[in-house]
Amino acid sequence: DVKVTQSSRYLVKRTGEKVFLECVQDMDHENMFWYRQDPGLGLRLIYFSYDVKMKEKGDIPEGYSVSREKKERFSLILESASTNQTSMYLCASTPSNGRSPLHFGNGTRLTVT
Amino acid sequence: GEDVEQSLFLSVREGDSSVINCTYTDSSSTYLYWYKQEPGAGLQLLTYIFSNMDMKQDQRLTVLLNKKDKHLSLRIADTQTGDSAIYFCAESPNFNKFYFGSGTKLNVKP
Repeated sequence: DVKVTQSSRYLVKRTGEKVFLECVQDMDHENMFWYRQDPGLGLRLIYFSYDVKMKEKGDIPEGYSVSREKKERFSLILESASTNQTSMYLCASTPSNGRSPLHFGNGTRLTVT
Repeated sequence: GEDVEQSLFLSVREGDSSVINCTYTDSSSTYLYWYKQEPGAGLQLLTYIFSNMDMKQDQRLTVLLNKKDKHLSLRIADTQTGDSAIYFCAESPNFNKFYFGSGTKLNVKP
């Protein structure tokens, strides 16, 4: 089974802090994604990466950056956390064959105070 | 992004069938997916259907696809309290793009 592991289930940070959310997958998938989930808005794509050191902006990249130094790890960075970034963050991965679903981690619920 | 629409809530009694509906916009979508999210957890793949199929059955789950109307549905037979969750439909027009609906919260009453 594919395993996507997010390092924290819950995080509480203060406004202005730099925040790192980590995600690791164990199936050698090329593609990795970061989504945020808010009630009534579904999942919105922040960034995705299709290879090491490659990244593309999703629908809501503002206030976020990402890092993919190794194939198995995809980090989401909040440069200066704000209260409107309080949300559930979901990491996902998929191989690049175009025929596979997304596999999700359990999510990180981030609260910015 | 693409528009994937779902109703927000559905309430059924235990033992009844549940039908969750979804409409999507990208007719080139190759795969359409149903995911389940239990409280505090990530999304778990339930089932999927390839765009050249009309129906797929997997135990208590039946997926129906109407490509002409761009309508996807998930039927859960003999719904149980453990089926209470949020259900997301998603379309994938290419390998890098997945578009999700807002999710339908299914409440199963005993």
